[in-house]
Amino acid sequence: EAGVVQSPRYKIIEKKQPVAFWCNPISGHNTLYWYRQNLGQGPELLIRYENEEAVDDSQLPKDRFSAERLKGVDSTLKIQPAELGDSAVYLCASSSKSGTGIYEQYFGPGTRLTVT
Amino acid sequence: RKEVEQDPGPFNVPEGATVAFNCTYSNSASQSFFWYRQDCRKEPKLLMSVYSSGNEDGRFTAQLNRASQYISLLIRDSKLSDSATYLCVVWGGSQGNLIFGKGTKLSVKP
Repeated sequence: EAGVVQSPRYKIIEKKQPVAFWCNPISGHNTLYWYRQNLGQGPELLIRYENEEAVDDSQLPKDRFSAERLKGVDSTLKIQPAELGDSAVYLCASSSKSGTGIYEQYFGPGTRLTVT
Repeated sequence: RKEVEQDPGPFNVPEGATVAFNCTYSNSASQSFFWYRQDCRKEPKLLMSVYSSGNEDGRFTAQLNRASQYISLLIRDSKLSDSATYLCVVWGGSQGNLIFGKGTKLSVKP
């Protein structure tokens, strides 16, 4: 079974430029997450989708970040304009709820963003 | 207080050693608990879930103490391939969001 696919794997941009990340979750997983991971830190949730609905975007900096999940499958995360502090790894994950209610999330390889 | 706190590390141990990682969480309503493993420049991967009764998977043993809001991971007979960062992860319940600790880096030396 294919895992979570993300692209690009690496991106270097100048500050104030826009950037977009793409994610294709595991087939059949209706929950999709975007995380940001800074160096030496654990992943921090940016937004969670249940199918096409964003059910938790409280940690998404809405002045510059946006996300969409059309048709409840693929998702795109955008930053416009990028700032130096946005340099991080952006991870996409997906999950399906098990019968016991425990969410097991599967992560993609991430996009390593460097803003110069 | 951070929601999930872990030993700062790094842990540098010889092959064959037993090493224990500790983790505390602040939300007493948390319902599920996990240990994830993250190799350098790779994505986190689920190592094991942590159940109230404690659970074991080969050389790995996870324990949960709800009263103390404390989770542990014990690795016996450490292998070079165990070198990684271990992330303590807590699920808050109906929100469906995982809260990650900063991680503890383990380095197993020959």
